[in-house]
Amino acid sequence: AQKVTQAQTEISVVEKEDVTLDCVYETRDTTYYLFWYKQPPSGELVFLIRRNSFDEQNEISGRYSWNFQKSTSSFNFTITASQVVDSAVYFCALYERGSRLTFGEGTQLTVNP
Amino acid sequence: NAGVTQTPKFQVLKTGQSMTLQCAQDMNHEYMSWYRQDPGMGLRLIHYSVGAGITDQGEVPNGYNVSRSTTEDFPLRLLSAAPSQTSVYFCASSPGTGRDTQYFGPGTRLTVL
Repeated sequence: AQKVTQAQTEISVVEKEDVTLDCVYETRDTTYYLFWYKQPPSGELVFLIRRNSFDEQNEISGRYSWNFQKSTSSFNFTITASQVVDSAVYFCALYERGSRLTFGEGTQLTVNP
Repeated sequence: NAGVTQTPKFQVLKTGQSMTLQCAQDMNHEYMSWYRQDPGMGLRLIHYSVGAGITDQGEVPNGYNVSRSTTEDFPLRLLSAAPSQTSVYFCASSPGTGRDTQYFGPGTRLTVL
């Protein structure tokens, strides 16, 4: 069965530090999709990135970057030079063909000034 | 373009009461779904629909009903509310199946006393 593990329940950093949020997944399929969502204190869910299993290239978007490694079944998310506005809960999710979108339990990131 | 809208934003029910959470999208998306979010458990799929007239159960369907009479609307019905249904409910839509990026509504915070 598919599973997503976000082992870091809470992370606290000081502004301008780099921080990496870990995501490890389990799937039996060779075709799957990985996602990251952000949930700020206001509560809405904001889409950040979607990656399919055939595209292992790392992605960078401004201060955000993602490292997808099939060999270790990981899809980690790094925020460079963190800011207070990055404080949120971040969810990693996995979609397997013929199944449903499965979310990890989320990582609460707090960026202190 | 309003995206995905949900009403109400907050609701308090007494045990045994019934109610309907409304969800609508104006993006002409075929796939719609309902999730509940509980502390430390991420988001769990309740029901989903791949198009008008077609619905199916997700991971935690007990106590909930859905219908999809139009592409735009996907209401979630609580038949007889229980305290265990206290949660935040999110509706989401996407162009195709769960492999596509899902866009979430703002959520409904439900408390059952």
